[in-house]
Amino acid sequence: AQSVAQPEDQVNVAEGNPLTVKCTYSVSGNPYLFWYVQYPNRGLQFLLKYITGDNLVKGSYGFEAEFNKSQTSFHLKKPSALVSDSALYFCAVRDIGSGAGSYQLTFGKGTKLSVIP
Amino acid sequence: GAGVSQTPSNKVTEKGKYVELRCDPISGHTALYWYRQSLGQGPEFLIYFQGTGAADDSGLPNDRFFAVRPEGSVSTLKIQRTERGDSAVYLCASSSGGSSGDTQYFGPGTRLTVL
Repeated sequence: AQSVAQPEDQVNVAEGNPLTVKCTYSVSGNPYLFWYVQYPNRGLQFLLKYITGDNLVKGSYGFEAEFNKSQTSFHLKKPSALVSDSALYFCAVRDIGSGAGSYQLTFGKGTKLSVIP
Repeated sequence: GAGVSQTPSNKVTEKGKYVELRCDPISGHTALYWYRQSLGQGPEFLIYFQGTGAADDSGLPNDRFFAVRPEGSVSTLKIQRTERGDSAVYLCASSSGGSSGDTQYFGPGTRLTVL
């Protein structure tokens, strides 16, 4: 079975400082990894994904994430946080070795990011 | 272009009643997914359609839940004999299909409250 852990329920960072939101995963096969952001009373918005290739993935709004196979991690990063980045962030994984189940996403519980002006 | 749309945005019902939740995917997307998000949790997979057929329904919690996609576009999630524990936000997503690496694009969700 696949799983995702987001060890921090909340991350606080000052505006202009770098931010990191942590994610680790567990799969039996190879992973596809995703980050989504959720603003209040809105659906999930796609930020970025790792499928194959370069371990450093760049996405929307200046976010990036690094796939680390040995540490089974996919931490989300941004060099300089904005107040408007404050939202709920979800990491998700697909286990591409699980047959028909490889299409379903398994999400973490989410990390609330607060950027303080 | 238009994204995934879901109706209604909110649904309040009484315990034991039947409800239907509708999802309109992005035009041309052949894959459609339903997830359920309880308060303070990440979305949990319910069912995945490729075209008209349910390719993976392993996430449906019990036989009170059923989903259809008769023409390969719009999908309806049906819940019979609703229970208070069914209260959650039901999210629909679509992707272009074919590859498990495809990005899933989510709708705004339907908030279901069972009294």
